[in-house]
Amino acid sequence: QVQLQESGPGLVKPSETLSLTCTVSGGSISSYYWSWIRQPAGKGLEWIGRIYTSGSTNYNPSLKSRVTMSVDTSKNQFSLKLSSVTAADTAVYYCARGKYNWNHANWFDPWGQGTLVTVSS
Amino acid sequence: AIQLTQSPSSLSASVGDRVTITCRASQGISSALAWYQQKPGKAPKLLIYDASSLESGVPSRFSGSGSGTDFTLTISSLQPEDFATYYCQQFNSYPPFTFGPGTKVDIK
Repeated sequence: QVQLQESGPGLVKPSETLSLTCTVSGGSISSYYWSWIRQPAGKGLEWIGRIYTSGSTNYNPSLKSRVTMSVDTSKNQFSLKLSSVTAADTAVYYCARGKYNWNHANWFDPWGQGTLVTVSS
Repeated sequence: AIQLTQSPSSLSASVGDRVTITCRASQGISSALAWYQQKPGKAPKLLIYDASSLESGVPSRFSGSGSGTDFTLTISSLQPEDFATYYCQQFNSYPPFTFGPGTKVDIK
């Protein structure tokens, strides 16, 4: 079955750019939506944005000015960049596959195991 | 953005109990709602989508209902492995997709 694995630095300095990659195994990355979702310690889930395998993106308006997503279908990977980070961006970051309906709206399955990113100098 | 609230925020229950969790949307979302289970240190796991469709492999003791603004997740007979936090998520109007704040189910 499809499995997702996040990778990237666990520590990022304030004002710098957080960069994460999600590698998809056990299936093709094609013809699905792929999302990033984050969860600060002890708190709820926040959807960051999604990318389709064509490269089309949608971002959370609250983060849109700082988010860039990309996809590399040859490597079965997609990536997240979040610029100008602050301590408020410290969270576990999950990648997830978006299942979709007629409206191209997404619910998420499966998820990666998550990776903790801490923003600190 | 559509806001989701969940009640209760936490509950204590015993093995074998029937448990009901409510999710309310700030505006009508038809049946575009999913439910997830999250255990400590783990990623969320999809249980229900389209408000009442059981994801493949999920035990039948889990069920979902509702449409419009009011939804429920029911666990018919709570099992030891069901102690976890449960989140609802709407996908009617986006971006953004939004999640409820979660309901923690722990052992009485």
